[in-house]
Amino acid sequence: GENVEQHPSTLSVQEGDSAVIKCTYSDSASNYFPWYKQELGKGPQLIIDIRSNVGEKKDQRIAVTLNKTAKHFSLHITETQPEDSAVYFCAANTLTGGGNKLTFGTGTQLKVEL
Amino acid sequence: DVKVTQSSRYLVKRTGEKVFLECVQDMDHENMFWYRQDPGLGLRLIYFSYDVKMKEKGDIPEGYSVSREKKERFSLILESASTNQTSMYLCASSLMQGNTEAFFGQGTRLTVV
Repeated sequence: GENVEQHPSTLSVQEGDSAVIKCTYSDSASNYFPWYKQELGKGPQLIIDIRSNVGEKKDQRIAVTLNKTAKHFSLHITETQPEDSAVYFCAANTLTGGGNKLTFGTGTQLKVEL
Repeated sequence: DVKVTQSSRYLVKRTGEKVFLECVQDMDHENMFWYRQDPGLGLRLIYFSYDVKMKEKGDIPEGYSVSREKKERFSLILESASTNQTSMYLCASSLMQGNTEAFFGQGTRLTVV
């Protein structure tokens, strides 16, 4: 089955700096790669996603890149702000006998310091 | 706004008890999921359902079962709770399986003593 690895597990940056979180996946058939943000006491919420037919996608300060050959994708946050502090999860879809499911990475705790 | 509501934020149960975790979504989504979240392990899929009365095992189904009698409701059942099932449980729903946005509930923190 699909295996998604995520690094780093913790990341501390100064406000205004950039943050990068990287993930690798194992199933070459995966074609959908979302990123979720989980704030304290809440469920994860989708912040951006990318499909395998594109290499990069941007939404304001957030961007995701995908390298299908190397089977890795990354989340880039520019001009970080304190409200970006949260746990971030990457995920990849995989087709199973019972349907299409998401496999998540282990999460990155991002802390933006003033 | 899509809303996924889990019936309890916190639960404390005794070893051996039968435990029901309830989840309701209001967006007429076909697909519903139960995940377990543990530190350092991320979100692991327990079971999912793509239609009423249909269910599929996820990656860690042992010790759990599910029920989906109505489209909007997906229940996770711990047949005989054990201490290693102490965890955060997250319910989610999506319009399509695995390749569209999943909307999560706020989570249920279950402690088995």
